[in-house]
Amino acid sequence: EVQLVESGGGLVHPGGSLRLSCAASGFTFSTYWMGWVRQAPGKGLEWVANIKPDGSDEFYVDSVKGRFTISRDNARNSLYLQMNSLRGEDTAVYYCVGSLAYWGRGSLVTVSS
Amino acid sequence: EIVLTQSPGTLSLSPGERATLSCRASQSVGSNVAWFQQTPGQAPRLLIYGASSRATGIPDRFSGSGSGTDFTLTISRLEPEDFAVYYCLQYGTSLKTFGQGTKVDVK
Repeated sequence: EVQLVESGGGLVHPGGSLRLSCAASGFTFSTYWMGWVRQAPGKGLEWVANIKPDGSDEFYVDSVKGRFTISRDNARNSLYLQMNSLRGEDTAVYYCVGSLAYWGRGSLVTVSS
Repeated sequence: EIVLTQSPGTLSLSPGERATLSCRASQSVGSNVAWFQQTPGQAPRLLIYGASSRATGIPDRFSGSGSGTDFTLTISRLEPEDFAVYYCLQYGTSLKTFGQGTKVDVK
């Protein structure tokens, strides 16, 4: 059974940092591109970042460029999202996504003073 | 950035009726479009990829069509569990983008 389990969310002050992790199992992680999608409260889906299977290339939505970094550890079947200089508009549920079909249950990040 | 525009914003229908949802891209994305269903409190579920291929386990009342810039998701006969929000996604470029969603609710 495929599982993606996010962790690391929580409450952070504006300007602060958080690191999200995603533990993958049930599929060959190292052969899949992976990504992070977020959903602000009551809003639609936004693709935030994705990374190639071997980690050689990363892509980001403009609103997080220079602040967020996606990375992966294929030996640990894990995906990460380092989030710096957080803003109120980054408040959302963050989903770990494998290819198009595999989704985690999400991790809530709240940026507030 | 490729912008996807979904219409209508809300579709009010009764169980058993046919639902037709539209997704238009600001430039050609070939057949690199997927459709997702999301119910409250749940992660999105992949329905269609490659514009017209059903994902594993998806009932055949769901079908997708289109290429280039215009895409359609059709639900032939709405079941109670189909009332949800539907999103299209383009993955023809390095960074993927979603449409804003269409809510299918009970008339």
